[in-house]
Amino acid sequence: DAGVIQSPRHEVTEMGQEVTLRCKPISGHNSLFWYRQTMMRGLELLIYFNNNVPIDDSGMPEDRFSAKMPNASFSTLKIQPSEPRDSAVYFCASSFGRTFSGNTIYFGEGSWLTVV
Amino acid sequence: KQEVTQIPAALSVPEGENLVLNCSFTDSAIYNLQWFRQDPGKGLTSLLLIQSSQREQTSGRLNASLDKSSGRSTLYIAASQPGDSATYLCAVDYGQNFVFGPGTRLSVLP
Repeated sequence: DAGVIQSPRHEVTEMGQEVTLRCKPISGHNSLFWYRQTMMRGLELLIYFNNNVPIDDSGMPEDRFSAKMPNASFSTLKIQPSEPRDSAVYFCASSFGRTFSGNTIYFGEGSWLTVV
Repeated sequence: KQEVTQIPAALSVPEGENLVLNCSFTDSAIYNLQWFRQDPGKGLTSLLLIQSSQREQTSGRLNASLDKSSGRSTLYIAASQPGDSATYLCAVDYGQNFVFGPGTRLSVLP
């Protein structure tokens, strides 16, 4: 399997623009996670899907952020409008199972977002 | 509040040394604990997973221990190599969320 695939790998955009990050989880995995990593705050869970349904979105920072999972093989994280403080690495991860318990999580290589 | 800390924040050792990385967590009601490795510009790779009922797990030169009662886990790396240089993160599974530590940045000097 190719692993978790994220695109774009790098994105530089101007403040106010819409940003869409994409993720293809590992085939057969039914849980998908979006994380954000910054130097100041480390890794933070933004949202967690199970069987394409959002289970926990309490980590989504504000209404400018939205995530969708229209099918088992694709998810998007959208930021509209983007702000400089959104600059971070956004990771998508997937696993098999309803909860994290006992299941290894596989991470993509991240989308490096810079908002200027 | 569920918090995870790691010490030291950074560590530099000569090749061949055995070393220990520490992870502490405030809430002991965990399902499991995982250790991850992150190389610069890359995602996280799972190294070891310890279930809450286990005391330790081993994989090659890596050994991870878990003491739930004291809220601690250690990652032991034997005979360190330059290829071990990376950031090591522990993550505690509380059932519906993983809480990650800030990581320990390891440099193994040839």
